[in-house]
Amino acid sequence: DIVMTQTPSSQAVSAGEKVTMSCKSSQSLLYSENKKNYLAWYQQKPGQSPKLLISWASTRESGVPDRFIGSGSGTDFTLTISSVQAEDLAVYYCEQYYDTPLTFGSGTKLEIK
Amino acid sequence: QVQLKESGPGLVQPSQTLSLTCTVSGFSLTSNSVHWVRQPPGKGLEWVGAIWSGGSTDYNSALKSRLSISRDTSKSQVFLKMNSLQTEDTAIYFCTAYLRWGQGVMVTVSS
Repeated sequence: DIVMTQTPSSQAVSAGEKVTMSCKSSQSLLYSENKKNYLAWYQQKPGQSPKLLISWASTRESGVPDRFIGSGSGTDFTLTISSVQAEDLAVYYCEQYYDTPLTFGSGTKLEIK
Repeated sequence: QVQLKESGPGLVQPSQTLSLTCTVSGFSLTSNSVHWVRQPPGKGLEWVGAIWSGGSTDYNSALKSRLSISRDTSKSQVFLKMNSLQTEDTAIYFCTAYLRWGQGVMVTVSS
């Protein structure tokens, strides 16, 4: 199974600050034939299902604010929120869909100071 | 657009069988896989299993002996059946496809 290691487990920031969170996979998520990284980022607010923010490591979903930026390739990935807003309070998960079993990071809980 | 909706009982007794339905719209079950993922209260996400576009299935190795996933393509529905339920199976169960998720259904295993 591909292990996804997500850090930090929680982070408290003030509105307007930049935040970065990391996701590392135990094997490469880059598929050589199409040069795509099979890595997604989700936002989960309390009482809601995970909402797709980023697919293919860096493709922002339609309607997602451009302050959410996904980057990285291979085994190291980052989600950056360029200027955190109060509504970004949530848990953020990475997921690899390169192979089954699908596996997830343990989540980064974002708290607003 | 892709939409998924889970349905099923909220309460199941220990040792009994859980039956859930995922009704999809916006795509055909013969064109894409559907996965089940669960989330125990206050915890992270665990992949349960999948049914692929061709109808084959794939299961979490820890649950494989208790799990069955099937579908009815004419009704755009995917079914999950898990037997011998225990308290540790208490979780929100989601179905997902194309990286989109249903709202989830809370399943509590309790007598």
